[in-house]
Amino acid sequence: GAGVSQSPSNKVTEKGKDVELRCDPISGHTALYWYRQSLGQGLEFLIYFQGNSAPDKSGLPSDRFSAERTGGSVSTLTIQRTQQEDSAVYLCASSSATGGLRTQYFGPGTRLLVL
Amino acid sequence: RKEVEQDPGPFNVPEGATVAFNCTYSNSASQSFFWYRQDCRKEPKLLMSVYSSGNEDGRFTAQLNRASQYISLLIRDSKLSDSATYLCVVNLNTGGFKTIFGAGTRLFVKA
Repeated sequence: GAGVSQSPSNKVTEKGKDVELRCDPISGHTALYWYRQSLGQGLEFLIYFQGNSAPDKSGLPSDRFSAERTGGSVSTLTIQRTQQEDSAVYLCASSSATGGLRTQYFGPGTRLLVL
Repeated sequence: RKEVEQDPGPFNVPEGATVAFNCTYSNSASQSFFWYRQDCRKEPKLLMSVYSSGNEDGRFTAQLNRASQYISLLIRDSKLSDSATYLCVVNLNTGGFKTIFGAGTRLFVKA
């Protein structure tokens, strides 16, 4: 079946511009996660959505970062007034959330470069 | 102290070797455990879940020691294609659900 998809796959922007990154989770998965990975570094948790519950935003690095999840499916991560240090790969993952192991499945990521 | 710790490596091994990675976690509320594999410039992909009784998938064996709070991954008969970064992952439920990724262990398998 279809996996997690993300768009765009690559984004180059100028410092100060806003960007929107999109994630389509696996159908039926109620949990959705955003992570950031800088070159050669580990995964940095950003935000977690679970069903209709309030999202866990504890990983968002600043108020320039926000995310929405509409209709319990597609999610958009928005970065306002981008800075060069925002350059990274932004990864989205989804999982089922009812019992089981809650294994996360990742999308291919969006590579963001802020010039 | 990090919540999930791994030796960053790199581990450089010849083809056919057996290699083992360990991972320690600090929170006793940890509920489920995984090993992921990440190839260069690719997303992490699930390698295997880790069960208390230990589990095996072909050349890969995972073990969990809850008393000592560590997880291991053993790779037998290493292949060139096993070269990747291996991430230890822990799910916690401490009133709220949380996933912690280790920083990863790099493996290079050489001919």
